[in-house]
Amino acid sequence: NAGVTQTPKFQVLKTGQSMTLQCAQDMNHNSMYWYRQDPGMGLRLIYYSASEGTTDKGEVPNGYNVSRLNKREFSLRLESAAPSQTSVYFCASSEFAANSPLHFGNGTRLTVT
Amino acid sequence: GEDVEQSLFLSVREGDSSVINCTYTDSSSTYLYWYKQEPGAGLQLLTYIFSNMDMKQDQRLTVLLNKKDKHLSLRIADTQTGDSAIYFCAERTNHGGATNKLIFGTGTLLAVQP
Repeated sequence: NAGVTQTPKFQVLKTGQSMTLQCAQDMNHNSMYWYRQDPGMGLRLIYYSASEGTTDKGEVPNGYNVSRLNKREFSLRLESAAPSQTSVYFCASSEFAANSPLHFGNGTRLTVT
Repeated sequence: GEDVEQSLFLSVREGDSSVINCTYTDSSSTYLYWYKQEPGAGLQLLTYIFSNMDMKQDQRLTVLLNKKDKHLSLRIADTQTGDSAIYFCAERTNHGGATNKLIFGTGTLLAVQP
């Protein structure tokens, strides 16, 4: 049982380049999330999808877009990468948006030069 | 506002008990969670407690919740070197509607000395 799978594991971008981070879950969960983790800041929610067909902004959505492609997949796109987006990105899923625990992927380490 | 605070670092000797503390501000919390993060990995759910409970025990892990003081702790008995990791406290807030937020603390680095 793979759980939450993120690709790629590592990425280096130049300022202004674009890229899409992919996430898929095989637990038949309804809700999916994108977080970023920065030293001393804990985890901050970028966007989430409470159910297939819906997406909503989290704490730090600026510079990002998301797509809930289907129930399994939730992608995060950086249209024009900036050094401030250097971070570790985690995708997570939960059975429901309310009260269910989150299950995390192993993260994507992104560096923007 | 919503805030979750943890101490940054805890060092213990192998075989001792570890106690990691967390305080939160939102009194509408429904569930409180403990996650473990090993180097280079994602967050792994360790345990969670519903806000109407005082204590939950799961093998070597004991979670204590003092709702009046908004204080949560995680006790690890017989701490092993494999327990070395960052531990995150998180609360589910309840502000109505179908979705409620999960707020994370900044994490406590547990270092276990052999």
